[in-house]
Order: sequence, then C-alpha cells, then structure tokens
Amino acid sequence: GAGVSQSPSNKVTEKGKDVELRCDPISGHTALYWYRQSLGQGLEFLIYFQGNSAPDKSGLPSDRFSAERTGGSVSTLTIQRTQQEDSAVYLCASSSRNPEDRGTGELFFGEGSRLTVL
Amino acid sequence: KNQVEQSPQSLIILEGKNCTLQCNYTVSPFSNLRWYKQDTGRGPVSLTIMTFSENTKSNGRYTATLDADTKQSSLHITASQLSDSASYICVVSLASGGSYIPTFGRGTSLIVHP
Repeated sequence: GAGVSQSPSNKVTEKGKDVELRCDPISGHTALYWYRQSLGQGLEFLIYFQGNSAPDKSGLPSDRFSAERTGGSVSTLTIQRTQQEDSAVYLCASSSRNPEDRGTGELFFGEGSRLTVL
Repeated sequence: KNQVEQSPQSLIILEGKNCTLQCNYTVSPFSNLRWYKQDTGRGPVSLTIMTFSENTKSNGRYTATLDADTKQSSLHITASQLSDSASYICVVSLASGGSYIPTFGRGTSLIVHP
C-alpha cells in the first residue's frame, strides 16, 4: 500500500477483555516497530521485528502483551486481560533497512489505534 | 545509557514569529538524527535527517543544525504558521553494530497562536 495502515482506528473495550491491533506496513519494508503513546506523553517502544530474525521484545511492559508478524508483512499486537492503564494510542511504524546502511532508515508511521479500556 | 533530551517541553508563540527547539543526546555510536513532526491525532512524519558530517540542513521554513562534538541539535522554525502547531520529536539512531531501535526524545509541544 501507499502507507502504513492500522486497524481499528478506535477501540473501546471493557477491563479484562482481550484486544488485537493490526498493522499493515509499507510493502517491501523489512523492519516493523510498535510504540505506545499515552495522552500527552512521548512514544514508548514496545517491540521490533526485522525480517526473519527473532523480534526484540524488550519494550513489552508485561506478559499480557504479545505481537507476531506473519510472512514478514502484517503484524498483530495482542493485549490480554486489558487494564485501564493500557489506554493509549498504539502506533506502528515500518522502515526499509539496507544491510549496508549505517543506522536506521526513516520510520513511516501509521495513524495509530486509539485504545480505551473502561 | 542512550538518552535524548528535548527542551523546552512546551512553547507558545505568535504566528509569524521564529522559534528554536533543542535536542541533546548521549546516544552512541551515533549514526543519524531525525526531527519528526507529529500533528494531533496523527503519526509522526520525518522533517529532516542529519548525519555525522552535516552541520545544517533546511526543509522549507525548517532548519536543523547538528553539533556532533557537543551532541546537540536544534530545529529552527522561521515565520511560524498556525499549521506548525504540533509536537516535534528528536530521534537518534545508532550506527551499524548497535541496536536498530532508535532513541526517541519526549518531544516539544509547539502552539502557534494567531
């Protein structure tokens, strides 16, 4: 697609329910990132996928959070047994990375999925 | 520890005025520094990229500077417009061999009043 697509754009759920957030990265981008942004705060890194390598899960706040990336493209972020403190905007970004490049290429962000846990 | 600090946290200016946003970093090994603009309710969008050898780069009314010795960058906005109201985020990436997870600053919230 032309850009990074995220769905749903808005999700309201009850405490204790599970939610799934989807990210369609830019075609051909091998790197995919998930971030969380609470109201008025900066971006908090959650997880990073690069090609077929094992993901870097160092930013996941608890074992209720998990993510997968199927076929090196679409990614799903799952939050189990949601809590009110999970309410935030979840942003996905993709990037191309030539192994010969030094550093990270430009991150292209989706519009985010706004999660509200009641 | 790799860190990116931005100042001020927030800024209010009148339309037509200039302003400068600051970014200090301790990221190493340094590869590049990007300034992103995040409009309310939208995802961040890259404005400029600065590599180690670059001192100044302009993108329209936006001019970024980099001093790799002091590990400081600034973003100067000239003749501000209402549409410049947004959060401006400084993001530093590590060189190859380091983590490919860039380090984000907390952002500067800019409000431009008519």
